[in-house]
Amino acid sequence: DAMVIQNPRYQVTQFGKPVTLSCSQTLNHNVMYWYQQKSSQAPKLLFHYYDKDFNNEADTPDNFQSRRPNTSFCFLDIRSPGLGDAAMYLCATSSRLAGHEQYFGPGTRLTVT
Amino acid sequence: GENVEQHPSTLSVQEGDSAVIKCTYSDSASNYFPWYKQELGKRPQLIIDIRSNVGEKKDQRIAVTLNKTAKHFSLHITETQPEDSAVYFCAASQEGSARQLTFGSGTQLTVLP
Repeated sequence: DAMVIQNPRYQVTQFGKPVTLSCSQTLNHNVMYWYQQKSSQAPKLLFHYYDKDFNNEADTPDNFQSRRPNTSFCFLDIRSPGLGDAAMYLCATSSRLAGHEQYFGPGTRLTVT
Repeated sequence: GENVEQHPSTLSVQEGDSAVIKCTYSDSASNYFPWYKQELGKRPQLIIDIRSNVGEKKDQRIAVTLNKTAKHFSLHITETQPEDSAVYFCAASQEGSARQLTFGSGTQLTVLP
């Protein structure tokens, strides 16, 4: 089944220790998004890739970076995680041909100790 | 930018009753309005969407209405069941745009057996 996959599902990292979250998709969608969702809040868009073009939201902290080496994979790098970065991180994909309906992955729950 | 307000934040209904969740948006250029259901610890899943050339859309027990003039749209769930219990998010976007999916703050729906 075509899908959006996120690994790991649960990640524990130490304060200030860099961490990378990964997302892959078999939908062949040209757009990939990273959202941060804190408890009882709506998903908040961090950035997205339209094909190879990176689009950062204005209020996304510099601590968050992203890489998209190919169509299928996208990575979220948190350079120096703080306690406030503990959240669920959701990857989503969309396709222009499908009107950009967004398909979400299962998320990675990040804990910062 | 777009601003989406969602009400109520929590909603409890008896099984079999109807539930209504309302959202307003600010940007008259928005023309695509999806609704997502998110169960605890799971990914948001698209349950229904509506485009601005349509006033109402129905899918079995779920319906969405859109009033472009007033800039509000609503989700209606009839004959609610315990498995409808979840957080529901509305969102607004310009169809075809890869970035502008602005979420409402979410409604925790609880269906009491």
